[in-house]
Amino acid sequence: DQQVKQNSPSLSVQEGRISILNCDYTNSMFDYFLWYKKYPAEGPTFLISISSIKDKNEDGRFTVFLNKSAKHLSLHIVPSQPGDSAVYFCAAKTSSDYKLSFGAGTTVTVRA
Amino acid sequence: ETGVTQSPTHLIKTRGQQVTLRCSSQSGHNTVSWYQQALGQGPQFIFQYYREEENGRGNFPPRFSGLQFPNYSSELNVNALELDDSALYLCASSSGQVLGYTFGSGTRLTVV
Repeated sequence: DQQVKQNSPSLSVQEGRISILNCDYTNSMFDYFLWYKKYPAEGPTFLISISSIKDKNEDGRFTVFLNKSAKHLSLHIVPSQPGDSAVYFCAAKTSSDYKLSFGAGTTVTVRA
Repeated sequence: ETGVTQSPTHLIKTRGQQVTLRCSSQSGHNTVSWYQQALGQGPQFIFQYYREEENGRGNFPPRFSGLQFPNYSSELNVNALELDDSALYLCASSSGQVLGYTFGSGTRLTVV
């Protein structure tokens, strides 16, 4: 039962342009949403999060938008840099559980 | 402050064998979770330990078991290995803060 879905397995973007990654979820009990970045041979590293009481959270070049009615969130990276090339995972959790539910990931490639 | 370390980094086992994977939690973290990431998929929650007790489990059979030690390090044991157990196994530790997860680099298990 895949409660978090990332329907785009890959994204290619030119350096300096915006990267937009999308994520959909089915469980309305999720209270927190997180984005992780993963390089090959490394573990996922936390990027940015948003709680269900907000619709936007910004941290430098990274902004996450949450649309609760559509059960959809997106991550915007502006401007995209070569070091942003990685796999990005969307994850979600309830406030009563440590368990993270992950999407399948989106591989971002930033072209020079 | 040391992060989460996992050993070994790579492992090849034969179907039917047993395997033990190890994880050292980040300093100050008393909760550890294990995830299985199959090729092309996102991490799937296996179970979580808090103060040496399992307090959460995903959809994995009983041949997946674990331990947490007084120093909060942890082991994941898998008995009767199957080919589908081939995956990257990730350990994540937390201090109990809602979003304070730190992942290790993982153990790549190949079952032949």
